[in-house]
Amino acid sequence: GQQLNQSPQSMFIQEGEDVSMNCTSSSIFNTWLWYKQDPGEGPVLLIALYKAGELTSNGRLTAQFGITRKDSFLNISASIPSDVGIYFCAGLQGSSGGSNYKLTFGKGTLLTVNP
Amino acid sequence: EPEVTQTPSHQVTQMGQEVILRCVPISNHLYFYWYRQILGQKVEFLVSFYNNEISEKSEIFDDQFSVERPDGSNFTLKIRSTKLEDSAMYFCASRGMGAQYFGPGTRLLVL
Repeated sequence: GQQLNQSPQSMFIQEGEDVSMNCTSSSIFNTWLWYKQDPGEGPVLLIALYKAGELTSNGRLTAQFGITRKDSFLNISASIPSDVGIYFCAGLQGSSGGSNYKLTFGKGTLLTVNP
Repeated sequence: EPEVTQTPSHQVTQMGQEVILRCVPISNHLYFYWYRQILGQKVEFLVSFYNNEISEKSEIFDDQFSVERPDGSNFTLKIRSTKLEDSAMYFCASRGMGAQYFGPGTRLLVL
């Protein structure tokens, strides 16, 4: 199956610092999504990207859809303790209007924020 | 804000038993999905469902698995004869025309 390489695997930062994580693939994806997962809970959608080159913000979060369609990054500015969790990238190779829309997930980035 | 709900939150079962995991997708969504996540690993696609039929399934989704939309609101995943390796978090997701939204998951433990 398709693979998404997500890095870093984990990050330990101080409150107030900015964070950056990314996903790359050898295959083209038509949609990139970023989710956050807290322990024992389901992934919560943070940002959805539908066009190559698209840069989208959601509060302190900013994500970009790479021009090559093979990568995406997520930035978190001015981190706070509640940013702690696992961040997953997910990619879709089909079209968003199609009936098939299985997501391929990265392995996640575990973020720890030290107050 | 509309959300996907799942029941039960936790399920413990004996190996070989049947389990049914239930989901109520967001009401105006038309596409439904099941994913699973083994402890400490990434989320893996199981099956997608649209227009009352399976659109796509992964190699994990073998003959022991089935899905059903028995009425206008519920979407179920059945595992006919559970195995130890079926222990995982199972997530339901739904979407309209945009991104997928996930439920809180059912933690299944097979003993």
